[in-house]
Amino acid sequence: QKEVEQNSGPLSVPEGAIASLNCTYSDRGSQSFFWYRQYSGKSPELIMSIYSNGDKEDGRFTAQLNKASQYVSLLIRDAQPSDSATYLCVVKNRGSTLGRLYFGRGTQLTVWP
Amino acid sequence: SAVISQKPSRDICQRGTSLTIQCQVDSQVTMMFWYRQQPGQSLTLIATANQGSEATYESGFVIDKFPISRPNLTFSTLTVSNMSPEDSSIYLCSGRGRDTDTQYFGPGTRLTVL
Repeated sequence: QKEVEQNSGPLSVPEGAIASLNCTYSDRGSQSFFWYRQYSGKSPELIMSIYSNGDKEDGRFTAQLNKASQYVSLLIRDAQPSDSATYLCVVKNRGSTLGRLYFGRGTQLTVWP
Repeated sequence: SAVISQKPSRDICQRGTSLTIQCQVDSQVTMMFWYRQQPGQSLTLIATANQGSEATYESGFVIDKFPISRPNLTFSTLTVSNMSPEDSSIYLCSGRGRDTDTQYFGPGTRLTVL
């Protein structure tokens, strides 16, 4: 069973639309959740972290966490062509004292003008 | 955010040779990790680099193939030994600060083995 699952996409949305990226995880005791963005040929960069159930907003980005459903999502409002990238859902499990992270395979997002 | 640098940024190597990748982090980082990202794939953890002691390797990765050093808190090296074309990948150094779950990544080393 994969630890972190994402729809690989590709997901394609027009400029100005809302892009919705989804992720599920297997360890019910997971505590920390992250979304990284990775442009082609570049290293991942952290865009959001979330630790509690509910929504967390940062500019055009909203992360949503539902621990009961073991579900994490990222909404990108007013999507821009510059948002075109692969988005990685990342989970840190309970008891992972060495800071081991589990990465999803990523969802490729394309925002077309 | 933490500042992490790596070198070389890319290299093309011959089969059977070895390449050492260097990673330098700033003082905010206490834990260091090495990842591999094969073409079209997500990141796979190779090992946790431990200061002054042997690295902690993940399943499927061994010290003879990927020796790692971390002589001090802010510097680590990863060697890819006896390379084959299957080792062609991006190798990423990552760091995490004290009392935080957030990890940052270096720019990566793109390795091509012919």
